[in-house]
Amino acid sequence: LAKTTQPISMDSYEGQEVNITCSHNNIATNDYITWYQQFPSQGPRFIIQGYKTKVTNEVASLFIPADRKSSTLSLPRVSLSDTAVYYCLVGDYKGGGNKLTFGTGTQLKVEL
Amino acid sequence: KAGVTQTPRYLIKTRGQQVTLSCSPISGHRSVSWYQQTPGQGLQFLFEYFSETQRNKGNFPGRFSGRQFSNSRSEMNVSTLELGDSALYLCASSDREETQYFGPGTRLLVL
Repeated sequence: LAKTTQPISMDSYEGQEVNITCSHNNIATNDYITWYQQFPSQGPRFIIQGYKTKVTNEVASLFIPADRKSSTLSLPRVSLSDTAVYYCLVGDYKGGGNKLTFGTGTQLKVEL
Repeated sequence: KAGVTQTPRYLIKTRGQQVTLSCSPISGHRSVSWYQQTPGQGLQFLFEYFSETQRNKGNFPGRFSGRQFSNSRSEMNVSTLELGDSALYLCASSDREETQYFGPGTRLLVL
């Protein structure tokens, strides 16, 4: 699975837009990019997944440039409840079983 | 649909004992994966079951085992517990192999 690199931590204030970038230089053709959110002592929660260009859902947007060597998770107008660890994962999960490799994640802290 | 459920939520055991954790996947999901999360090692993949067969396995000793039943419910067992087995054990289920949905986890403390 392609290795990912993301910032260890980020700070923001309520109401701001937060962008977390993940680098995955060795991404393979069949790889998808997936982001999870995790609160302390809870299981990770699926946020968004994409393959190329831009994906948007009710929670976030995911921007993927043409070369797919990086991706950016965008959280609009964050609130205190968005304080969590965010994980970027890259991998081809088809046909070989579900084996997710989590990195260290990005600890997002949102303040008033 | 109900989410992934795990029981028990909290567990305290002593070294040398064994423990069995249970996971009920989202209805219709046939794949169940198990992960261990510790402050030092982060989230690590244990194994994955699909249609009652272990399809993928992480790099854990044989003390860690699992199984899946015909209704897709899964159990994992840890024998001869060690202090280092204290962790949050997470179960995840999926219908398509791109997206996994996690349960709340079982917090295991080994004394």
